[in-house]
Amino acid sequence: DAKTTQPNSMESNEEEPVHLPCNHSTISGTDYIHWYRQLPSQGPEYVIHGLTSNVNNRMASLAIAEDRKSSTLILHRATLRDAAVYYCILRNNRGGTSYGKLTFGQGTILTVHP
Amino acid sequence: DTGVSQNPRHKITKRGQNVTFRCDPISEHNRLYWYRQTLGQGPEFLTYFQNEAQLEKSRLLSDRFSAERPKGSFSTLEIQRTEQGDSAMYLCAGPGQGINGANVLTFGAGSRLTVL
Repeated sequence: DAKTTQPNSMESNEEEPVHLPCNHSTISGTDYIHWYRQLPSQGPEYVIHGLTSNVNNRMASLAIAEDRKSSTLILHRATLRDAAVYYCILRNNRGGTSYGKLTFGQGTILTVHP
Repeated sequence: DTGVSQNPRHKITKRGQNVTFRCDPISEHNRLYWYRQTLGQGPEFLTYFQNEAQLEKSRLLSDRFSAERPKGSFSTLEIQRTEQGDSAMYLCAGPGQGINGANVLTFGAGSRLTVL
């Protein structure tokens, strides 16, 4: 599986935007970029995913570089409840590959200050 | 509803004992996944089921580990002769829906194992 690189930790203040970077220089054309987050004492939860175009949903936005070698998860207004570990994962969409077999890295620990 | 329930949430056991964890998807799905997460690390894939069939097992799943899904609904993960290195969070996941109906995972809250 292609590898992703994320900063170990980031800090933000409440109600400010947060930009969480992810590098994936060896991404292949069939790799989707998925983001999950894990709140304390919980299992991971899906946040957003994309292939080439920028994506928005109620939780966040995903900005994907034109060469697809990096992406950024954007939380537009951080809240205390957004404090979590954020994982950037590449998921290959080749036929026959189990979509649920994900390779997690160590992720980015996001601290949100009041 | 695509939730996943796991029991027990916490288990403390002595080295050498057997433990069993249960995963109940709230609604029926053909696929079910088990992951393990040690402290400070991301989750690692262990195994997955399609209905009753166990289709893939990670090398992490030693012969002391066995997973079953007898009726294609709930699943159990048993660890025999536990070792201190088995201490981890064991996570179960089922299918969920992402943007545009894409297949993603919905995880349970996990079962934390501490082996003394």
